[in-house]
Amino acid sequence: DAGVIQSPRHEVTEMGQEVTLRCKPISGHDYLFWYRQTMMRGLELLIYFNNNVPIDDSGMPEDRFSAKMPNASFSTLKIQPSEPRDSAVYFCASSFRGLNTGELFFGEGSRLTVL
Amino acid sequence: QKEVEQNSGPLSVPEGAIASLNCTYSDRGSQSFFWYRQYSGKSPELIMSIYSNGDKEDGRFTAQLNKASQYVSLLIRDSQPSDSATYLCAADTGRRALTFGSGTRLQVQP
Repeated sequence: DAGVIQSPRHEVTEMGQEVTLRCKPISGHDYLFWYRQTMMRGLELLIYFNNNVPIDDSGMPEDRFSAKMPNASFSTLKIQPSEPRDSAVYFCASSFRGLNTGELFFGEGSRLTVL
Repeated sequence: QKEVEQNSGPLSVPEGAIASLNCTYSDRGSQSFFWYRQYSGKSPELIMSIYSNGDKEDGRFTAQLNKASQYVSLLIRDSQPSDSATYLCAADTGRRALTFGSGTRLQVQP
């Protein structure tokens, strides 16, 4: 299996621009998570989906952030408009909780820099 | 108070020594605990899970859990330079996704 695939790996944009991050989970995994990692705040959960349905979006910082999962093999995280404080590494992870509760498989991350 | 707390380090140990990494959690409803390793510039990867009080050993790694004290630890025996990484502790309350600590950076000196 190819693992969790994220794109782009690096994104540099200017404040006010729209940013879309993409994720393809591992086939057969029914949970998908978006995390954000910064030096100051560590790894924070933004939102997670179960069977393509958003379950908990309480970690989404504000309305500028939105996430969708139109099917089992694709998810997006969108920031509009972006701000410098959004600069971070955004990780997508998937899991099959029936197999091993808590075992998340992470993608390589998307490093976002907002100037 | 953060839900999962770790000392940020760095924790520096000589090669061959035992590295001891500690974590405390605030939610008594937490049932499952995990240690992830993250190399610089890479994504986290699961190395240990523990669900009940006591010790769990896997190779050079031992996870310890004390639910009464709300304390989780990871021991790495015979530390190697390749163990140098950030170690993330995570807790699962069963109600939402994993909550991670900020991580402890381990440096193993050759």
